[in-house]
Amino acid sequence: RKEVEQDPGPFNVPEGATVAFNCTYSNSASQSFFWYRQDCRKEPKLLMSVYSSGNEDGRFTAQLNRASQYISLLIRDSKLSDSATYLCVVATQGGKLIFGQGTELSVKP
Amino acid sequence: DTEVTQTPKHLVMGMTNKKSLKCEQHMGHRAMYWYKQKAKKPPELMFVYSYEKLSINESVPSRFSPECPNSSLLNLHLHALQPEDSALYLCASSRLAGEQETQYFGPGTRLLVL
Repeated sequence: RKEVEQDPGPFNVPEGATVAFNCTYSNSASQSFFWYRQDCRKEPKLLMSVYSSGNEDGRFTAQLNRASQYISLLIRDSKLSDSATYLCVVATQGGKLIFGQGTELSVKP
Repeated sequence: DTEVTQTPKHLVMGMTNKKSLKCEQHMGHRAMYWYKQKAKKPPELMFVYSYEKLSINESVPSRFSPECPNSSLLNLHLHALQPEDSALYLCASSRLAGEQETQYFGPGTRLLVL
């Protein structure tokens, strides 16, 4: 079983749609979780950290369910500029980041 | 300024060449990282430096040799690489090498080994 697993993509959605990405992780001792965004041929960039209480940043909402070892990202009112690959990331001691395979999102006009 | 710079942007090398990748940050971060990313795959950690000392080596072949000459610089020396080593090499830094620290990535070096 992979340490971090994500929904397979690609997700093709119209502008204005709401889209949800899911992710599961295998190590129940994991403490820190992130969503990164990676545009084509660019470096990954932090989108948001994920907290147990859930957190929201504008149109983006991240949720963590420790009991189910499940992380989600919700994007509301999708924009063309949201098209990218979204990477679910679990951090371990010492700063090692373990990335999921990524989910590709394409927002169409 | 949350910038990590990497040089060169692109590199083509033969299997007998020796080359080096360079990474620099001026954010006062004390942890620096090398990742390798193949096409359509996520980044995979290679090395972690914490306070200029190697703290994690993910069983990387010895043809990759990291070096951290000071707190702002990180090098990756390449020797006798194989074509399968062709990839995007990403450098990252964070304030400290901890679970909750945000890592900032550089733009990467695209390496092609012929």
